[in-house]
Amino acid sequence: DAKTTQPNSMESNEEEPVHLPCNHSTISGTDYIHWYRQLPSQGPEYVIHGLTSNVNNRMASLAIAEDRKSSTLILHRATLRDAAVYYCIRSQGGSEKLVFGKGTKLTVNP
Amino acid sequence: DTGVSQNPRHKITKRGQNVTFRCDPISEHNRLYWYRQTLGQGPEFLTYFQNEAQLEKSRLLSDRFSAERPKGSFSTLEIQRTEQGDSAMYLCASSLGASGTNNEQFFGPGTRLTVL
Repeated sequence: DAKTTQPNSMESNEEEPVHLPCNHSTISGTDYIHWYRQLPSQGPEYVIHGLTSNVNNRMASLAIAEDRKSSTLILHRATLRDAAVYYCIRSQGGSEKLVFGKGTKLTVNP
Repeated sequence: DTGVSQNPRHKITKRGQNVTFRCDPISEHNRLYWYRQTLGQGPEFLTYFQNEAQLEKSRLLSDRFSAERPKGSFSTLEIQRTEQGDSAMYLCASSLGASGTNNEQFFGPGTRLTVL
């Protein structure tokens, strides 16, 4: 299983932007990049996904490097409710399963 | 609430006992997944169903584990002869199963199993 590489933890201040990096250097052309997050005592929830182009939704933006070997999840204005573990997942062509790593634990300071 | 539900939320059992967990997916979702999560780790895939067919199983799913989805709606995960190493959070997720780019999975709150 090809997991991605993320920092173990990051800190941010409330109402500031947060950039969460992810490396997926062995990604193949048909693999999507997904981000999920897990708040304390809850199941994971979908954040965003993309293939090649940058993506925006109501929760976040996803910036994908031109060579697709890395990506960055951007939270434009962090709130205390964004404190969670963020997982960057590379879906492997044709497989339905999500292969989670340890993720990045984001702490948001008031 | 129309999300994924799991029962029970907590289960404490003695080593060697059998346990069964239930997952009710979002009603129109035809794909259902089981994951296991231990403390400090991300969830690990166990198995998934499309309707009633079990299409993929992880090598983590030993012969003591069995999952069913008899009518393509709810699913059960049974663990026979539980071991202390089975203690974990068991997560269920479902998805619409639409073809195309994304198959967003919606997770339930999990069943926390403690084996004494």
